[in-house]
Amino acid sequence: EVQLVQSGAEVRKPGESLKISCKTSGYIFTTYWIGWVRQMPGKGLEWMGFIFPRDSDTRYSPSFQGQVTLSVDKSITTAYLQWSSLKASDTAMYYCATGDGPLDFWGQGALVTVSS
Amino acid sequence: EIVLTQSPDFQSVTPKEKVTITCRASQSIGSNLHWYQQKPDQSPKLLIKSASQSLSGVPSRFSGRRSGTNFTLTINSLEAEDAATYYCHQSSTLPGTFGGGTKVEIK
Repeated sequence: EVQLVQSGAEVRKPGESLKISCKTSGYIFTTYWIGWVRQMPGKGLEWMGFIFPRDSDTRYSPSFQGQVTLSVDKSITTAYLQWSSLKASDTAMYYCATGDGPLDFWGQGALVTVSS
Repeated sequence: EIVLTQSPDFQSVTPKEKVTITCRASQSIGSNLHWYQQKPDQSPKLLIKSASQSLSGVPSRFSGRRSGTNFTLTINSLEAEDAATYYCHQSSTLPGTFGGGTKVEIK
């Protein structure tokens, strides 16, 4: 069974750094792109970017280029999303998802709250 | 970046009615258009892939169609459990993009 299990909710202050994780299992990790999706409170889904675990090839949506960093650790089949300096506007639910084009499998989401 | 224009934004529907949601792509994406259902406090769930391919476990009342760069999701005979927000997503070019979503409310 394919599973994507995300790390828990986080509360940070503006300017702080953060790295959240997406632990995968049940499929060959290097086979599919892993995408990250933001959902701000009461809003729709936004693509942040994709990473291909086999070679760490990464594509960012223009809105998120330079704002976040995607990475993977193949040894533990885990993908990461990180910020070096959070803003209040980064408060949102973040999902990881994977599939061969369509996103068949999703994590449960990680709520990030940025507040002073 | 490919833009997906989804309509309507909101629809209030009586059970057993038919619902049609459209998604228009700003350029050709072939059939690389997929539909998701998101219920409150849940992760999105894939409903239809590649414009019209149904998925195991998804009720047969959900169907998808493509006409050029216009795509439709149809829910025949709406049930109460279908109250959710529906999103289209294109995977023709990376990274993908989502439509703005259509919230379906049950009257």
